[in-house]
Amino acid sequence: KAGVTQTPRYLIKTRGQQVTLSCSPISGHRSVSWYQQTPGQGLQFLFEYFSETQRNKGNFPGRFSGRQFSNSRSEMNVSTLELGDSALYLCASSPTPGGDTGELFFGEGSRLTVL
Amino acid sequence: KQEVTQIPAALSVPEGENLVLNCSFTDSAIYNLQWFRQDPGKGLTSLLLIQSSQREQTSGRLNASLDKSSGRSTLYIAASQPGDSATYLCAAKAAGNKLTFGGGTRVLVKP
Repeated sequence: KAGVTQTPRYLIKTRGQQVTLSCSPISGHRSVSWYQQTPGQGLQFLFEYFSETQRNKGNFPGRFSGRQFSNSRSEMNVSTLELGDSALYLCASSPTPGGDTGELFFGEGSRLTVL
Repeated sequence: KQEVTQIPAALSVPEGENLVLNCSFTDSAIYNLQWFRQDPGKGLTSLLLIQSSQREQTSGRLNASLDKSSGRSTLYIAASQPGDSATYLCAAKAAGNKLTFGGGTRVLVKP
């Protein structure tokens, strides 16, 4: 059974550009969550999607957005990139929606560098 | 607001010694607590999941306990090996499938 797949694994952008990251969850999993990991702030929750609906959102500016498709694949977008957006972006999938006791499984992440 | 703390931030032990990693959380209204391992530049690997109704969970050399009343979880790794060197993270799960992570404990097991 394939794990959570994130693409691209590495990317470099310049300030002001936008970026789109993709996440394919484990087959059969319908919940996808996104996290940002930085040396200073650690791991922080961005948002969670279930059945194409955003169910929960962390404390990030509106430049950070996401969506989920009918096949449960998810994308997140960051517009008007800032230097501080440089981070490892991790996606997690779970077989259950928010509030349940399901386990989360993480992908390898997409490392974004903003110059 | 849930806050999760892991102390110490780093520790170094000789091979064969048992590891004890601590995790504390401020809000006991959690669904479960999950322990992860992260190697440099990699994603998170799930180690153990303890449901809020459980006291402990075991997998091989790993054992994790949960005491909701005191807001604590402990991960024990028996007979440590150099391959156990990594950062270990705990995360408390609340409503909305949201994980709140601790800052992690960086472990070095010296041969």
